[in-house]
Amino acid sequence: SQQGEEDPQALSIQEGENATMNCSYKTSINNLQWYRQNSGRGLVHLILIRSNEREKHSGRLRVTLDTSKKSSSLLITASRAADTASYFCATPLGETSGSRLTFGEGTQLTVNP
Amino acid sequence: GAVVSQHPSWVICKSGTSVKIECRSLDFQATTMFWYRQFPKQSLMLMATSNEGSKATYEQGVEKDKFLINHASLTLSTLTVTSAHPEDSSFYICSAQGTSGRYRYEQYFGPGTRLTVT
Repeated sequence: SQQGEEDPQALSIQEGENATMNCSYKTSINNLQWYRQNSGRGLVHLILIRSNEREKHSGRLRVTLDTSKKSSSLLITASRAADTASYFCATPLGETSGSRLTFGEGTQLTVNP
Repeated sequence: GAVVSQHPSWVICKSGTSVKIECRSLDFQATTMFWYRQFPKQSLMLMATSNEGSKATYEQGVEKDKFLINHASLTLSTLTVTSAHPEDSSFYICSAQGTSGRYRYEQYFGPGTRLTVT
């Protein structure tokens, strides 16, 4: 079953603006991952944040994790039209890093040129 | 590195026939592969976990006799949709997880297979 909820479901912004997507989950986790999916394509792993980390950066991506609120956010700075895609958070169902993943509902991001 | 392929990328079949989808890890060995399905504008739903050399573990509500999974080698897992019906039409995505090094910590996803049952 899906335990992640994401908001907003859809986000439309102009190129150059920042995009923030949020994810909430229900059970304890040891890590949370963010993926990107272009329409009709597979998933691309963006970033993994461990439960003992509060913030992580990768290029124009910034991920935060608040385990007390069971929530995470993904910030894309200086967005580009090529960032248009669906973004999903995912959490492992088990204790190990290799566990099955459960995905959030996703946020459809549209970046207008 | 960490490339996963799927074949075919899309397939159309008639109701009642069976369709096989292959998932291959091209440059690493994958002891575990996962199969997901995704309906339009929805999230991924895990169907089953496939371990090399053993039977697959299916998620609740997934019919194992309808979705046959075989993980015969460390680089190949197959999903066969048997007696397909229009409601099986979906996007099927596999992912692979490796045995060593950095491949242990992440799942690497294939590009997906679009199945349409007429």
